[in-house]
Amino acid sequence: GNSVTQMEGPVTLSEEAFLTINCTYTATGYPSLFWYVQYPGEGLQLLLKATKADDKGSNKGFEATYRKETTSFHLEKGSVQVSDSAVYFCALITGGGYNKLIFGAGTRLAVHP
Amino acid sequence: NAGVTQTPKFQVLKTGQSMTLQCAQDMNHNSMYWYRQDPGMGLRLIYYSASEGTTDKGEVPNGYNVSRLNKREFSLRLESAAPSQTSVYFCASSEALRVASGANVLTFGAGSRLTVL
Repeated sequence: GNSVTQMEGPVTLSEEAFLTINCTYTATGYPSLFWYVQYPGEGLQLLLKATKADDKGSNKGFEATYRKETTSFHLEKGSVQVSDSAVYFCALITGGGYNKLIFGAGTRLAVHP
Repeated sequence: NAGVTQTPKFQVLKTGQSMTLQCAQDMNHNSMYWYRQDPGMGLRLIYYSASEGTTDKGEVPNGYNVSRLNKREFSLRLESAAPSQTSVYFCASSEALRVASGANVLTFGAGSRLTVL
């Protein structure tokens, strides 16, 4: 079946460090891929998306590239800030049927000054 | 710009009690969803509503009922709460159930934390 696997957290970094959160997926067809972010006490909000192979989504300094050959959509940021502390969810929408959003388990990021 | 509003934010119930979680969106979206979030499991879809007047089961519908009251509102009811329903519940909405690009973006509410003792 369709699924999303994320690296387990928590990920703890110092401010200005480089961030990578790994995400791999299993899906039939050609899914669209997403990163959602959940700040403390808030709902999820879309961070970035990519709809086809080799697309790069980017927003707020975060980037992720849709790699069909490795079925991956790793999230990266060159220099994290304390305000980036949140839980990050990788997700996909399958091509068939309705656009059902399938989430990974989430990765908590904590950034310290 | 309220987006998706959920009430209540927190609720404590005893086993066997009933309650309704309310959700309203002001973006004129057609589709609405209820998810639950449990540690280490991401979000799982409970029920969804493609459009006003329709509802369908998601991955984990047992123990829940929903009502799409109108285009704006989508409520989730627990008829007889159980400790296994302790979770954080999120309502979400989107323009449609399917979009041509496949990149259907959901807007989420802030969540309702439910504890069943």
